[in-house]
Amino acid sequence: GNSVTQMEGPVTLSEEAFLTINCTYTATGYPSLFWYVQYPGEGLQLLLKATKADDKGSNKGFEATYRKETTSFHLEKGSVQVSDSAVYFCALSDTDSGNTPLVFGKGTRLSVIA
Amino acid sequence: GAGVSQSPRYKVAKRGQDVALRCDPISGHVSLFWYQQALGQGPEFLTYFQNEAQLDKSGLPSDRFFAERPEGSVSTLKIQRTQQEDSAVYLCASSSGFDTQYFGPGTRLTVL
Repeated sequence: GNSVTQMEGPVTLSEEAFLTINCTYTATGYPSLFWYVQYPGEGLQLLLKATKADDKGSNKGFEATYRKETTSFHLEKGSVQVSDSAVYFCALSDTDSGNTPLVFGKGTRLSVIA
Repeated sequence: GAGVSQSPRYKVAKRGQDVALRCDPISGHVSLFWYQQALGQGPEFLTYFQNEAQLDKSGLPSDRFFAERPEGSVSTLKIQRTQQEDSAVYLCASSSGFDTQYFGPGTRLTVL
């Protein structure tokens, strides 16, 4: 079945540092890929998504590229801020229509210190 | 506009009690999902509704878990004879069917 593996946390960075959170997936067919973020005390929010190979999703300075050859969707940000402290989840779904279940990784907690 | 809401936000139950968790999706959203998130883990799919029809319940862990959405709007997840392993955050998400899933804040269930 479909599965997602993402790097274990927690990750602690200083403000303005470069961020990479690795995510790889196993799936049949051509899934859509997502990064969700969970800020303290809040619900899961979609951060970005990509629906086909070589697509790049981006939002709020975060980027991730759908790499079919390496089955990866690594999350990157060039300069993190304290406000980026949250738990980040990589996920996949058979479609991007919102009609199919999401399969999540275990999450990576990011702490950014000033 | 109003997002997905869930109630209660926190629930403590004694082992063996029945609980009911409510989800109010975004108005007009036809698709509704329930997920279970254990501590330190990612959410795991439980069940899916399209309007009032439960199209997929493959993720429900046992027959103690039951979900309904009788009028195609509000949904209730019911857990009978709760066990300690049921302790988790239960997340509800809704979708228009043409876009992403929007998540509620979750209900944290603790079974003593």
